[in-house]
Amino acid sequence: GAVVSQHPSRVICKSGTSVKIECRSLDFQATTMFWYRQFPKQSLMLMATSNEGSKATYEQGVEKDKFLINHASLTLSTLTVTSAHPEDSSFYICSASGGSLNYEQYFGPGTRLTVT
Amino acid sequence: AQTVTQSQPEMSVQEAETVTLSCTYDTSENNYYLFWYKQPPSRQMILVIRQEAYKQQNATENRFSVNFQKAAKSFSLKISDSQLGDTAMYFCAFTSGGGADGLTFGKGTHLIIQP
Repeated sequence: GAVVSQHPSRVICKSGTSVKIECRSLDFQATTMFWYRQFPKQSLMLMATSNEGSKATYEQGVEKDKFLINHASLTLSTLTVTSAHPEDSSFYICSASGGSLNYEQYFGPGTRLTVT
Repeated sequence: AQTVTQSQPEMSVQEAETVTLSCTYDTSENNYYLFWYKQPPSRQMILVIRQEAYKQQNATENRFSVNFQKAAKSFSLKISDSQLGDTAMYFCAFTSGGGADGLTFGKGTHLIIQP
């Protein structure tokens, strides 16, 4: 139980274009979903927290107009990187809480974004 | 703001040995949760063990156990009878939101198990 999927697993886009990443909880309703970014050989950094039907809460230093988050249902959250630049290239990981242990987060497999 | 510190960037031990990874944290909260995650080369985050701060008993999961010292704000991970498959990055993480707040991660420890 408590499986989270992410799509796509890898994406390459050209500078200036937008790319959307989907995060789904497959077997539970996720009350809250989180988006993290991980640069090579670094730790995970929380970007934003989203609740279904509400505006996402962004961490300090994360541009909300650049990283658009939509949490349309209890099983789906999307992250759209708008006007992507090479410095946005990173590993993006989502997680979801709301399973049997409410405080525990279940992680998706991640999306590797490369902006050329 | 909470901080999590892992002071060992890399550790290497022989197979079957016991290894301890250290983690300290700083918070003014009284109720919180601590985790150790394993990240193998696939980069999938795998939960190793969890500890609720209100529980005095140290958590144990098979070969993995923690030494939770609340007063010292210390949360170390002990891996017994280490196996080659334990080779990975290990991250210590903290949250106080009971599922509503994101995790704060340490910088990680790269653990290498030598055959």
